[in-house]
Amino acid sequence: DAGITQSPRHKVTETGTPVTLRCHQTENHRYMYWYRQDPGHGLRLIHYSYGVKDTDKGEVSDGYSVSRSKTEDFLLTLESATSSQTSVYFCAISDKGQDIQYFGAGTRLSVL
Amino acid sequence: QKEVEQDPGPLSVPEGAIVSLNCTYSNSAFQYFMWYRQYSRKGPELLMYTYSSGNKEDGRFTAQVDKSSKYISLFIRDSQPSDSATYLCAMVAGGGNKLTFGTGTQLKVEL
Repeated sequence: DAGITQSPRHKVTETGTPVTLRCHQTENHRYMYWYRQDPGHGLRLIHYSYGVKDTDKGEVSDGYSVSRSKTEDFLLTLESATSSQTSVYFCAISDKGQDIQYFGAGTRLSVL
Repeated sequence: QKEVEQDPGPLSVPEGAIVSLNCTYSNSAFQYFMWYRQYSRKGPELLMYTYSSGNKEDGRFTAQVDKSSKYISLFIRDSQPSDSATYLCAMVAGGGNKLTFGTGTQLKVEL
């Protein structure tokens, strides 16, 4: 998976609890992305980062926040998880904006 | 209307068949086009990457882009059971930094 590690790989949590997902890369790529994947919707961008401390929203950013304090780590936080955030979350990296994106193995999150 | 449209399938073909997978799009600014393959419970992996119009071949796979029709295709020759997966098209505008994905086509190649 192109030097990308997502943790945890599976998580079950309860509505209202905070959740943080981690993406770690060893490729020194500038761009990092968080997507969610749901049946019928495909991959949808939540947030992305174009450098340390530089982040921007994607198309489904409500209820999510991100942080990038180091080139290699990009964190996705659900401040107060809801059942609609049950999904598979993928991290991706790329060297340039229009370049190929490489994906991690995903995190399966269930919010009960 | 979605920016990128892709038939979700499922598409079932016999082993050895030629498979054609397609996407249409509405944003004329898209210049870079990709096809990803995703096996069940795995992350997407890049299959093909093309810039602007034309064809690109890699082994059994051929990617075709027709910008005038806003239509891209992926052809798989001599399909194998190991090709059974979901295929996602993706595209990005020149100077852009966000991919727009199709919803994926599920392909099953049967023995």
